[in-house]
Amino acid sequence: AQSVTQLGSHVSVSEGALVLLRCNYSSSVPPYLFWYVQYPNQGLQLLLKYTSAATLVKGINGFEAEFKKSETSFHLTKPSAHMSDAAEYFCAVSRTGTASKLTFGTGTRLQVTL
Amino acid sequence: GAGVSQSPSNKVTEKGKDVELRCDPISGHTALYWYRQRLGQGLEFLIYFQGNSAPDKSGLPSDRFSAERTGESVSTLTIQRTQQEDSAVYLCASSLGIGQGGGYTFGSGTRLTVV
Repeated sequence: AQSVTQLGSHVSVSEGALVLLRCNYSSSVPPYLFWYVQYPNQGLQLLLKYTSAATLVKGINGFEAEFKKSETSFHLTKPSAHMSDAAEYFCAVSRTGTASKLTFGTGTRLQVTL
Repeated sequence: GAGVSQSPSNKVTEKGKDVELRCDPISGHTALYWYRQRLGQGLEFLIYFQGNSAPDKSGLPSDRFSAERTGESVSTLTIQRTQQEDSAVYLCASSLGIGQGGGYTFGSGTRLTVV
């Protein structure tokens, strides 16, 4: 069985500050890991994915995430927050990276303040 | 098509009525998934189709929920005798088959409101 835990349902940062959204996973097989973003009243958009290649994954909009097997973590970071980053962020895990179900975390709502 | 298409985008129905939600996956994607997102919550897996294999129905919350998929094309999610707790956004996603790389593409969802 696989699961994902996102620490912090709400995170607030100032514009220009570092964004850190935490994700820890549990998996009996090497995992495939994903971060999705959901803007208000919109669908899910893929930010980045880890598929057993490089452990540091760069995504869209300046986001990146590092896979750390020893810590079973896949935290999402961005050096400098922008107001447009305000959204809900979901971490997800799957067994094969495709053609198997994604298991999602409960999400973290990111607020960016002036 | 270019993306995953879901219809209707919004549906308001009376408690006790049946509803059908439709999903058109990306052409060539053999895998199709349905998820439910209740207000303020994460995504809850409902059902998964992969080619001609038996679907994984492990996430369906009750026997009022069912889904069908014709080949590798359109899928419909049916909710019978709707209840107020069924109110949610129902998201569909599709992906290529195992070993084909790529990832999951989500539709914009159907917002279901049961009154």
